[in-house]
Formats: sequence, C-alpha cells, structure tokens
Amino acid sequence: QAQLQQSGPGLVKPSQTLSLTCAISGDSVSSSTTAWSWIRQSPSRGLEWLGRTFYRSKWHNDLAVSVKTRMTITPDTSKNQFSLQLNSVTPEDTAVYYCARDASSVGSPFAFNLWGQGTVVTVSS
Amino acid sequence: QSALTQPRSVSGSPGQSVTISCTGTSSDVGGYNYVSWYQQHPGKAPKLMIYDVIKRPSGVPDRFSGSKSGNTASLTISGLQAEDEADYYCCSFAGYYNLLFGGGTKVTVL
Repeated sequence: QAQLQQSGPGLVKPSQTLSLTCAISGDSVSSSTTAWSWIRQSPSRGLEWLGRTFYRSKWHNDLAVSVKTRMTITPDTSKNQFSLQLNSVTPEDTAVYYCARDASSVGSPFAFNLWGQGTVVTVSS
Repeated sequence: QSALTQPRSVSGSPGQSVTISCTGTSSDVGGYNYVSWYQQHPGKAPKLMIYDVIKRPSGVPDRFSGSKSGNTASLTISGLQAEDEADYYCCSFAGYYNLLFGGGTKVTVL
C-alpha cells in the first residue's frame, strides 16, 4: 500500500522561499510509469495543480503557468522523495499544499489516486 | 484559464439521487475524455471517485457514476447515504500539460 508523507514548515515570511518535501513509500519516485505532482487548495483559489516531475529515460518537469517562474520541483532518488520550492511568496500563496501521485496504474495520467496528508502553509510576517 | 464551474451546493434525502455538474469549454471538458471527480471530507485530502469521465477506481461504490455531454461533465450519486456528505470537485485535462479544477460542490444529506 503506497503512502505519501509530507513535511515542511507551516509558516513562511513574505518574499522568502516555501519548501516542502513528499516522502514516498511503497512506490518509487523513479518509476517510469507514473508522475508526482504538487497541488494546493485555498479558499480564494480553490484546488490548483502546480506542477509535476516524472522519469522517462530522463527527468521531466511540467509547471503551471501561474507559478512557472517561481517554482521548482526536485526529485531525490536517494531518499525516494520529491520536493517543492516556491520563491518570492506572498500572502496569496497561503494554502494547504498536497503532494499526489497520478493514476497511471489504472491507465489515467490525468487523475490522482494517492495523496499526501496536506500541509497548511501560511505566508505572514 | 478559469476554473471549471460547479454549483456551490446540492442536497438530497437518504436514498435519493443527486447530480453535480461541471461546466468547462471545448478546450478542457469538451475536448478530452479526461474528467475526474474527487470527494473531500473536512480536514482530509481529496479522494478519487471517478476518472476518465466514467471509470470508477477499485473500492468506490457503484452508487457513484460519471458522464459527459458537450462541455459539461456530471457526477451522480444514487442511493444517497449519510457518509456521502462532503465536498466534491471535478478536474479536467486542459491540454499539455495543464489540469483545471472546479470550484467545488457541497453535498448535504438532509
């Protein structure tokens, strides 16, 4: 039974960098048949897909246009995890952040069948 | 791109059926058969209920069904039960690589 365990600070100051990690058990970040995403949820913006990383002979990243210039997703094969870094945060980035695995195991790379527990991140001085 | 449009709330009595709509455009819902639906209870992560418009993951009751017509997808819950009370979100592929979510619908079991 695969699981995702998130970690990272819940409070970030404006203009600083938000960093979160998603540790994977029961699956591999290097899997050639799935992808690993970050999704956030806030009252003002609802659910918002942020980006994903996946391995297909080499590493690939796709990022949402809204965060493309500020966001990095980095896989760590030695620890079987992946991380999110969001630079120059503002109060608009306050949200619950989730990591998720796509549902390629059931044939759909456009849905998510495994989610982390969520991390509440507040951007405030 | 704007979020997909869902009604804010729907309600029904136990045993009844409710349907939640999810309206997009020909660039997302109408253009691909990649609509998924998620159930979210308070304080919990979303749970996949339907994917690829009509498919149900293993373990999801067959009371949950999905459909699509044009730019509008729908989730129907038949035989409503108390534990179905939750927020429901649709999601659609919107071209490589982008995913859009709906604003969410609160289902209340009367």
